[in-house]
Amino acid sequence: KNQVEQSPQSLIILEGKNCTLQCNYTVSPFSNLRWYKQDTGRGPVSLTIMTFSENTKSNGRYTATLDADTKQSSLHITASQLSDSASYICVVSPMDSSYKLIFGSGTRLLVRP
Amino acid sequence: NAGVTQTPKFQVLKTGQSMTLQCAQDMNHNSMYWYRQDPGMGLRLIYYSASEGTTDKGEVPNGYNVSRLNKREFSLRLESAAPSQTSVYFCASSADRTIYSNQPQHFGDGTRLSIL
Repeated sequence: KNQVEQSPQSLIILEGKNCTLQCNYTVSPFSNLRWYKQDTGRGPVSLTIMTFSENTKSNGRYTATLDADTKQSSLHITASQLSDSASYICVVSPMDSSYKLIFGSGTRLLVRP
Repeated sequence: NAGVTQTPKFQVLKTGQSMTLQCAQDMNHNSMYWYRQDPGMGLRLIYYSASEGTTDKGEVPNGYNVSRLNKREFSLRLESAAPSQTSVYFCASSADRTIYSNQPQHFGDGTRLSIL
């Protein structure tokens, strides 16, 4: 069964620190891997989209990496801010579907002052 | 710049009641989607519409119907609500007709639905 697993489930860091969120997937083959940010009470917002041939993609202080050999992706947040407090969701699109996205259950990040 | 707008934001229903969740996008997108988000689980696709006039079932379509009224609007209907349908419902849209491209999905802020 295709799955997307994220770790840790939750994380607390101090403002200004860096952190890395992990995503392991078994979806294969896939066309792209996405990271979304979801603030409490809001819909997900796209951070990065990487094709299977890309290794890294940045969006400001957010950098996503992809290792297709080990089926792992990570999202690195640099110099965290209070506004980074949110859930971060890893999403994989399997190649065998033109519409389906497989969502991880997310990592809940809390940035404290 | 509204993006994807969902109404209502909150709703409480009794078992057996019906209701329609509304979704509209102003980005001239081709594809629209309905998801549900339950605690501890990833978003799951209920129905999608790759273009105006077409709709297809997703992963969890039972108990729901949809209507792509025009290119802007995509509604989700619960004919006879059940407690298992208590969830947060998200509508999304994307420019392309498939998800093979690198076009992101844009989400609304959800409808929080409780069924007693």
